[in-house]
Amino acid sequence: EAGVVQSPRYKIIEKKQPVAFWCNPISGHNTLYWYRQNLGQGPELLIRYENEEAVDDSQLPKDRFSAERLKGVDSTLKIQPAELGDSAVYLCASSSGVEWDKYTDTQYFGPGTRLTVL
Amino acid sequence: KQEVTQIPAALSVPEGENLVLNCSFTDSAIYNLQWFRQDPGKGLTSLLLIQSSQREQTSGRLNASLDKSSGRSTLYIAASQPGDSATYLCAVKRGYGQNFVFGPGTRLSVLP
Repeated sequence: EAGVVQSPRYKIIEKKQPVAFWCNPISGHNTLYWYRQNLGQGPELLIRYENEEAVDDSQLPKDRFSAERLKGVDSTLKIQPAELGDSAVYLCASSSGVEWDKYTDTQYFGPGTRLTVL
Repeated sequence: KQEVTQIPAALSVPEGENLVLNCSFTDSAIYNLQWFRQDPGKGLTSLLLIQSSQREQTSGRLNASLDKSSGRSTLYIAASQPGDSATYLCAVKRGYGQNFVFGPGTRLSVLP
């Protein structure tokens, strides 16, 4: 079974430029998460989707960040315009969200996209 | 607001040693706690998951314990190997389907 796929793996951009990250979750997983991980810290949630609906975007800086999950499968996270402080690793994760998995509710993480803003 | 801390921030040990990593959380109302491993440039790999009703979980050389009342979890690694070198993160979840709140991680180096 394929894991969570993210692209690109690395991105270097100038400040004020736009950037987009793509995530393909594990097939059949209803819940999708975007996390941001700064150097030396643990990941922090940006947004959580249940199917197509963003159910928790309270930590998403909405002035410059946007996300979408069309058809409840793939998701795209966008930053426009990027700032120096946005340099981080952006992680996507998914979980099944089905009744039989309620006991473990395991999240599976992708490899992340490392963003460097110059 | 849940806060998770991990001590120590970094640890270097010779191969073969047994070691303990610590995780503390401020809100004991958790759904589960999970320990992850992160290798440089890679995503997170789940090691052990402990439900709120459990006290410990074991997998091979790893043993994780949970004491909700004191807001603590420990990850015990027996007979450490160089391949264990990585960052270990603990994370707690408030409820089913909720996001994790992560600690900052402990960077472990096991020297041959």
